[in-house]
Amino acid sequence: DAGVIQSPRHEVTEMGQEVTLRCKPISGHDYLFWYRQTMMRGLELLIYFNNNVPIDDSGMPEDRFSAKMPNASFSTLKIQPSEPRDSAVYFCASMGYPLDNEQFFGPGTRLTVL
Amino acid sequence: AQSVTQLGSHVSVSEGALVLLRCNYSSSVPPYLFWYVQYPNQGLQLLLKYTTGATLVKGINGFEAEFKKSETSFHLTKPSAHMSDAAEYFCAGGGNKLTFGTGTQLKVEL
Repeated sequence: DAGVIQSPRHEVTEMGQEVTLRCKPISGHDYLFWYRQTMMRGLELLIYFNNNVPIDDSGMPEDRFSAKMPNASFSTLKIQPSEPRDSAVYFCASMGYPLDNEQFFGPGTRLTVL
Repeated sequence: AQSVTQLGSHVSVSEGALVLLRCNYSSSVPPYLFWYVQYPNQGLQLLLKYTTGATLVKGINGFEAEFKKSETSFHLTKPSAHMSDAAEYFCAGGGNKLTFGTGTQLKVEL
């Protein structure tokens, strides 16, 4: 298996623009997580899905952020409009049947908002 | 509230020396505990995990950790550090939803 795939790996955009980050989880995994990592706040859970349904979005910072999972093999995290303070590395992770609760992380998308 | 605390944001050891990275968790954290490692510009990779059973857990790259319920600790150790161990290490705990510590940057010096 190729592991969790994220695209793009790097994104540079200007303030006010829409940004869409993409994630393909490991096949067969029914949990998907979106995290944000910054120097100031560390690793924060934004939202997670189970069987394509959002379970907990309490970490989503504000209405500018939205996440979808239209099917078991694809998820998006959208920021509209983007702001400089959104600059961070965004990670997607997936997990199978939670007997071991092990999350597998993607390589991340480094977002820079100018 | 659940919390995972890592003592020491930066740890420096000499090559060949013992590595000890400390992690304490709040008693409200379900007893699923993990150590992840992050190399520069990469995602997090699982080092080891404790779910049930033996309290001394062995992981990859010679690392191990011991779950001590009485001390609410899950410290990570490695007998002999190698230059390739230089990375950031995260302790995490929880069920479906993990709570991560703030990370410890390990530096290995010659």
